Amino acid sequence: NAGVMQNPRHLVRRRGQEARLRCSPMKGHSHVYWYRQLPEEGLKFMVYLQKENIIDESGMPKERFSAEFPKEGPSILRIQQVVRGDSAAYFCASSPVRAFSGANVLTFGAGSRLTVL
Amino acid sequence: GENVEQHPSTLSVQEGDSAVIKCTYSDSASNYFPWYKQELGKRPQLIIDIRSNVGEKKDQRIAVTLNKTAKHFSLHITETQPEDSAVYFCAASRDSGYALNFGKGTSLLVTP
Repeated sequence: NAGVMQNPRHLVRRRGQEARLRCSPMKGHSHVYWYRQLPEEGLKFMVYLQKENIIDESGMPKERFSAEFPKEGPSILRIQQVVRGDSAAYFCASSPVRAFSGANVLTFGAGSRLTVL
Repeated sequence: GENVEQHPSTLSVQEGDSAVIKCTYSDSASNYFPWYKQELGKRPQLIIDIRSNVGEKKDQRIAVTLNKTAKHFSLHITETQPEDSAVYFCAASRDSGYALNFGKGTSLLVTP
């Protein structure tokens, strides 16, 4: 099991460009979560998705940010017209269907570090 | 939504001493409380978790306690070792359909 795979690991963009971050959940996991981590800060929830469905996007900025988890392929976090304040580590996590466990045990990817020049 | 507060933000202990990190949460419906360890430049990794039907859970040198009435839970690390140095995050959530909300982390330094 390859675990949660994120790419790219490092991404550099100039102000105004677009950033696309990809996340493939662990095999058998159907829930994906995106978190942002700023230097010296904690993990801030952004969005929670299942296949073809956004469950909770309460932590995601209303403008410039979007996320999807299509039926086929990885989940994608898209940031349009990036600004310097978007520089951060973006972590994806996945969890299995919680039909019986009753708890969302998250497994994190290695993160994508976005630098906006 | 859920608000998780974590203290202290930094903690320095000598090797062999115990370390305690405390968290409070606001949503009385939360029933799952994991702790994650993040080493520098690495991903957060689950080290222990507790559910609301249990007051205490132990795994070797690590233990977590939960007080649902007071809405707080704590991580206890005994006989600390330098390799315990990392940032520790507490989190809380309700059951299915809700995301984890994390505290801001505690940077633990264990000095030899």
